[in-house]
Amino acid sequence: GAVVSQHPSRVICKSGTSVKIECRSLDFQATTMFWYRQFPKQSLMLMATSNEGSKATYEQGVEKDKFLINHASLTLSTLTVTSAHPEDSSFYICSAKGGDHEAFFGQGTRLTVV
Amino acid sequence: QKEVEQNSGPLSVPEGAIASLNCTYSDRGSQSFFWYRQYSGKSPELIMSIYSNGDKEDGRFTAQLNKASQYVSLLIRDSQPSDSATYLCAVKTSGTYKYIFGTGTRLKVLA
Repeated sequence: GAVVSQHPSRVICKSGTSVKIECRSLDFQATTMFWYRQFPKQSLMLMATSNEGSKATYEQGVEKDKFLINHASLTLSTLTVTSAHPEDSSFYICSAKGGDHEAFFGQGTRLTVV
Repeated sequence: QKEVEQNSGPLSVPEGAIASLNCTYSDRGSQSFFWYRQYSGKSPELIMSIYSNGDKEDGRFTAQLNKASQYVSLLIRDSQPSDSATYLCAVKTSGTYKYIFGTGTRLKVLA
């Protein structure tokens, strides 16, 4: 299947700082990228959908000023968690879709805010 | 009512048995259905996709879809301990790119 690379895989940051997570489609052009968050023993919750070159569409309850999403090219989307707090600690996963094939997931990023 | 429902389990089956995982969904407009496997601490990986009523087989895996009953299932034949994971059902509605996930069923295959 298609390859989606997410970086970093793990990050620990101090409360109040910002963290950027990258999601890259390595062998296809991703017209749409999705960002999910998964808390322990829970399912994936969609945070936002982004299309290349346009503003992201956020799901209800997700603060767009806190979770900044940029999809500037067909192979890269970034999620920046601004002013992170311990309650933002979670597993963040991106997935990318392009053309007719279904979305593929990145490896995920384990964020711990201390 | 949750959009995609799964029994959280754990579902325990002996090695070599058939594991049956079930999922129901609420949106009748749903067109695409997926089963993902997720190991602890890892990202989900796609196992099967199914788009029309009936069965779809791929190796030891069979997905079954019944749109009238809004039900999709995954059968795993000859279950192996390495199949132990959480299985997520996902549904995509026609006209959108959004995947809605169930909470997942934890499967334990006992050696």
